[in-house]
Amino acid sequence: DAGITQSPRHKVTETGTPVTLRCHQTENHRYMYWYRQDPGHGLRLIHYSYGVKDTDKGEVSDGYSVSRSKTEDFLLTLESATSSQTSVYFCAISPTVSGTGSSYEQYFGPGTRLTVT
Amino acid sequence: AQTVTQSQPEMSVQEAETVTLSCTYDTSENNYYLFWYKQPPSRQMILVIRQEAYKQQNATENRFSVNFQKAAKSFSLKISDSQLGDTAMYFCALGGGTSYGKLTFGQGTILTVHP
Repeated sequence: DAGITQSPRHKVTETGTPVTLRCHQTENHRYMYWYRQDPGHGLRLIHYSYGVKDTDKGEVSDGYSVSRSKTEDFLLTLESATSSQTSVYFCAISPTVSGTGSSYEQYFGPGTRLTVT
Repeated sequence: AQTVTQSQPEMSVQEAETVTLSCTYDTSENNYYLFWYKQPPSRQMILVIRQEAYKQQNATENRFSVNFQKAAKSFSLKISDSQLGDTAMYFCALGGGTSYGKLTFGQGTILTVHP
């Protein structure tokens, strides 16, 4: 158990409404990531964070924003949800990504299933 | 850009038999890592095994082992003595180098173990 929780676990929302998904970790790791999972695409990176207030875009960032005001929380916001954002969203953390002992493996939260109608 | 390709959308195997899942990748990095993740019906992503590119020895974790062919950019997963609990989606992933730990995933292979 890597100490990662996501909330909510399931959400149904209407097109055009804002949605915020929360990722919380108890491991105090510096690196956090948001992915979406869609059939035929595997997991694709939306945004990632390499420290408090340090974030950057991933492969599929359009329509999404993130914030990280504390080490333990990484928020993903859909400013105006669209049907194409219906997906399963995963948060992940990585213990080390540089220097001695770097390993690059990521540990994932349980996922959030989001449906936009 | 890094890419990962899993060319087998679905595979099946009989319980107690051996199965191999294929993965090819492309990267310009010299220092990288490869992973296999398992996603059972519960949806939880579980790390199965990892391989450091600078290590020539293939990684092994109990019934799971890899065949890492660096020159061919191939990274296959072998599951021995398959069990019903191995039924899951399996993802190959590539990370490392200067990428802030970002992972690039393949499309996944659905493995079904039959009794």
